Amino acid sequence: GAVVSQHPSRVICKSGTSVKIECRSLDFQATTMFWYRQFPKKSLMLMATSNEGSKATYEQGVEKDKFLINHASLTLSTLTVTSAHPEDSSFYICSARDLYASYEQYFGPGTRLTVT
Amino acid sequence: KQEVTQIPAALSVPEGENLVLNCSFTDSAIYNLQWFRQDPGKGLTSLLLIQSSQREQTSGRLNASLDKSSGRSTLYIAASQPGDSATYLCATSGNNDMRFGAGTRLTVKP
Repeated sequence: GAVVSQHPSRVICKSGTSVKIECRSLDFQATTMFWYRQFPKKSLMLMATSNEGSKATYEQGVEKDKFLINHASLTLSTLTVTSAHPEDSSFYICSARDLYASYEQYFGPGTRLTVT
Repeated sequence: KQEVTQIPAALSVPEGENLVLNCSFTDSAIYNLQWFRQDPGKGLTSLLLIQSSQREQTSGRLNASLDKSSGRSTLYIAASQPGDSATYLCATSGNNDMRFGAGTRLTVKP
């Protein structure tokens, strides 16, 4: 089956620093990748949709200058949390859509970000 | 904008019981609906995916149904086991995104 990896799985950083999270599709090409955020005991909230080679589309209320998304290749998208604050602490999950399987998304294992 | 609702928010049952989780959605123009399992602090595990043209899908003790016209899906779990304890999420796929319900937290007691 299609596999999506995320790195790192856990990261702790200090307030004011930036953190980069990588999302990779390991055995398929993904023209579209999605970034989600999940607060404790809550559901996933779509943050942005990332299309290879173009700018990401952000959901309402998500700051594009704070959450920088880059999708430079068909297998890699990155989310950079800039000038992190404790309220950015969350579980971030990416998913990738297979170029040849239209609407099925495959999810990464998630990244736990803690900002101290 | 698609809204996905799951009822109940939490459910506790004794081992061996059959149970049904409910999912409803407001926009019937979906491509598919997917049920996921999420263990605490972990990512998502896909359980079943139902294409918009399908009525149900089965995998082992799990059966998911889809009624697009009424905007409803159910996940039936037969002979529940303590290992089934987790949060179950349903999600609809539209033209370019996926919308999740808030999940049902299931506890199966031995």
